[in-house]
Amino acid sequence: DVKVTQSSRYLVKRTGEKVFLECVQDMDHENMFWYRQDPGLGLRLIYFSYDVKMKEKGDIPEGYSVSREKKERFSLILESASTNQTSMYLCASSLSDRGVVFGEGSRLTVL
Amino acid sequence: GNSVTQMEGPVTLSEEAFLTINCTYTATGYPSLFWYVQYPGEGLQLLLKATKADDKGSNKGFEATYRKETTSFHLEKGSVQVSDSAVYFCALYDSGAGSYQLTFGKGTKLSVIP
Repeated sequence: DVKVTQSSRYLVKRTGEKVFLECVQDMDHENMFWYRQDPGLGLRLIYFSYDVKMKEKGDIPEGYSVSREKKERFSLILESASTNQTSMYLCASSLSDRGVVFGEGSRLTVL
Repeated sequence: GNSVTQMEGPVTLSEEAFLTINCTYTATGYPSLFWYVQYPGEGLQLLLKATKADDKGSNKGFEATYRKETTSFHLEKGSVQVSDSAVYFCALYDSGAGSYQLTFGKGTKLSVIP
């Protein structure tokens, strides 16, 4: 089975901490994405990448950065976590319009 | 820009009832359309898709038909089960927009009671 694997299902961090969310896909997909999901707001795109070392801002990039040093890995970084970044974070990858494959999500709580 | 509008939830149905979740879209090009499902505590899974007008996507008893004239992609199932309780997301991919991302609706939560 093809997979998108997110390193942590649940994290609890303190305000001001640096947070890394890791995502790995085994499908040789060019495109990778980070979304956050909040009740009543649906999925909102934070950043995406269509190639190694390439990144594009999504709808809500503020407070986040990303890294894509290898094709299979796409990391989301919160430089200084804040309580309003408490959310479910979903990583995904895709190959054009064949559909996007999602990981199982990382639920982050910032205290 | 592109957008997806789906019916507000939550939707509560009895087992074996008929399900319709409405989805309409706005796109600049000729999008592919998708339904994703999210079961409690899990990520999103592709449920079905359609890539051109009049295509019908189907999977696990769910169906949706790509209607270009009404810009719609409504999700239907003839007889829902308790195990269908989940959040359903309609989405589009518009290659003509020069982007690689999906545009999602806000999701519709379905609860099926025995």
